[in-house]
Amino acid sequence: DQQVKQNSPSLSVQEGRISILNCDYTNSMFDYFLWYKKYPAEGPTFLISISSIKDKNEDGRFTVFLNKSAKHLSLHIVPSQPGDSAVYFCAASPSRGALNFGKGTSLLVTP
Amino acid sequence: SQTIHQWPATLVQPVGSPLSLECTVEGTSNPNLYWYRQAAGRGLQLLFYSVGIGQISSEVPQNLSASRPQDRQFILSSKKLLLSDSGFYLCAGSMGFDGYTFGSGTRLTVV
Repeated sequence: DQQVKQNSPSLSVQEGRISILNCDYTNSMFDYFLWYKKYPAEGPTFLISISSIKDKNEDGRFTVFLNKSAKHLSLHIVPSQPGDSAVYFCAASPSRGALNFGKGTSLLVTP
Repeated sequence: SQTIHQWPATLVQPVGSPLSLECTVEGTSNPNLYWYRQAAGRGLQLLFYSVGIGQISSEVPQNLSASRPQDRQFILSSKKLLLSDSGFYLCAGSMGFDGYTFGSGTRLTVV
């Protein structure tokens, strides 16, 4: 049973525009959320995280928003760049437990 | 900082043959270690995790097994590979809980 869901398998955005990647979760015990970025044939790399005591965390062009009541989080990339083209995985965890990953969203940023 | 080493990068094995994938950790002691598989359309699936030497938890019943003979060594094995074992295998490690560091992955093709 998929506890972390990324319902959009792919997203295409023009360079300079905003990319919004969405993620929903079902387990109310999840209190730590992360986004990973993955290029083909490489391991995922950590991008940004947020704990359940916050509703927003920002790091440069990347911002993660958390809506606990809706069990929804999103990753905003502004402005999008061609180098951002990759698969983005949403992950969630109950305190210090193993991460549960979504299926990923493939982002393509076109020039 | 923690570094995860995985090898080989690619592997082609016949059905029924054994498998041994090795993961080693550098830079930390007593990490939690994980094996994930990324199969087409299924995101990152947790296979095994280990909190210490000789301690293995299995998340998904399957044709695979894992062992942790040393603190910084995590091995994924199979006695007889199936076609369905094909996929991209990732080793990950965590210290406390700051998310994971992933290895570069092994692309396994069972033919």
